Amino acid sequence: TQLLEQSPQFLSIQEGENLTVYCNSSSVFSSLQWYRQEPGEGPVLLVTVVTGGEVKKLKRLTFQFGDARKDSSLHITAAQPGDTGLYLCAGARRGSGGSNYKLTFGKGTLLTVNP
Amino acid sequence: DAGITQSPRHKVTETGTPVTLRCHQTENHRYMYWYRQDPGHGLRLIHYSYGVKDTDKGEVSDGYSVSRSKTEDFLLTLESATSSQTSVYFCAISKGQGAEAFFGQGTRLTVV
Repeated sequence: TQLLEQSPQFLSIQEGENLTVYCNSSSVFSSLQWYRQEPGEGPVLLVTVVTGGEVKKLKRLTFQFGDARKDSSLHITAAQPGDTGLYLCAGARRGSGGSNYKLTFGKGTLLTVNP
Repeated sequence: DAGITQSPRHKVTETGTPVTLRCHQTENHRYMYWYRQDPGHGLRLIHYSYGVKDTDKGEVSDGYSVSRSKTEDFLLTLESATSSQTSVYFCAISKGQGAEAFFGQGTRLTVV
């Protein structure tokens, strides 16, 4: 069972369109992070959300953390070809038995923005 | 960019041979991680380290071992490589537990 479910898995849109991708779980996270990964590269952190209900904006990207800290969304306004990439969410929670916090990644949303 | 270097970047090896991947950081971060990334599975944690000589298993640790003898180096060893270990391997570092992770560029490993 995947701890973090991302949807959609694939998204292909035209330049200028808006889009939203989702990251859902039945578990509560202490924080949630969004990364973008380009082909042949490692993921790069975009934002971290910590407080339930928190909204963060990064230029045309808006990130929201659910009130219950179980889900998150990423909204992109007026998408551009440079937004193309794999978007990954990752939740931080303490491991079983009170062990160290671990990051668990969703499988990602592969976004293609066509010119 | 965070100072993380993975080596080698690409490797082809035969089934049954030992393989060691190296991750080197210049950031003095306490936590280091090894992930593998596969289509349909996303990023999965293999092992991680929370200090020199302190390591723990992740969700897919079978067939892998790690060592950290210095803060800056974290080694991942496949004792006897199998075709199921063909993957892209990423090293990551972070300052604290569950904190933002900074990733290396990855190592593409093919086991034939």
